Amino acid sequence: SYELTQPPSVSVSPGQTASITCSGDRLGDKYASWYQQKAGQSPLLVIYQGYKRPSGIPERFSGSNSGNTATLTIRGTQAMDEADYYCQTWDSNTAVFGTGTKVTVL
Amino acid sequence: QVALKESGPVLVKPTETLTLTCAVSGFSLNNAGLGVSWIRQPPGKALQWLAHISSNDERFHSTSLKSRVTISKDTSKSQVVLTMTNMDPVDTATYYCARKGDSAAWYGYWGQGTLVTVSS
Repeated sequence: SYELTQPPSVSVSPGQTASITCSGDRLGDKYASWYQQKAGQSPLLVIYQGYKRPSGIPERFSGSNSGNTATLTIRGTQAMDEADYYCQTWDSNTAVFGTGTKVTVL
Repeated sequence: QVALKESGPVLVKPTETLTLTCAVSGFSLNNAGLGVSWIRQPPGKALQWLAHISSNDERFHSTSLKSRVTISKDTSKSQVVLTMTNMDPVDTATYYCARKGDSAAWYGYWGQGTLVTVSS
């Protein structure tokens, strides 16, 4: 079955850039999405189709997807961005979520 | 506006069958191009996709849980139903329903989730 692998944790200082990777076989050939999940809340879509931002998502969130890796970048990270982040794609009529990354804003 | 809300038992016993309902509003399950998935999250763990039903009633299931999971919908009631048989304590999780366009690969709307505990 298809798998998506993320680093368990990423730490970033306020105002700095956080990058979260998501690795999967030929992931660049698929659509990658990213979700933010704060403690006790439902996931929130922050990036879809690899790089598009839904309405209401701040411009500091951006995405890219090429080769075997999709990347979510948060520029000018704020304390409110502290959360778990999950990548997601579809493969063979199955949705697949990544292992999740906890972003800590120190 | 679009909303999804999950409901069902808070506690089930091992070996029992779980039935969860996702009530949707702000869109119709008859709408061409809109489907609903069930996704769960064990405490402290990652999201796990369970099943999806499309606007034209195509159904897709997790390969690892396919024999235990059934997804269906009642368009007149605007509800999507998930049944999972032979529940086990490892199935303890928050269960979410989420909306996806048939031609899309992402979930733009999620329910609030419902925590199901499996224990005797």
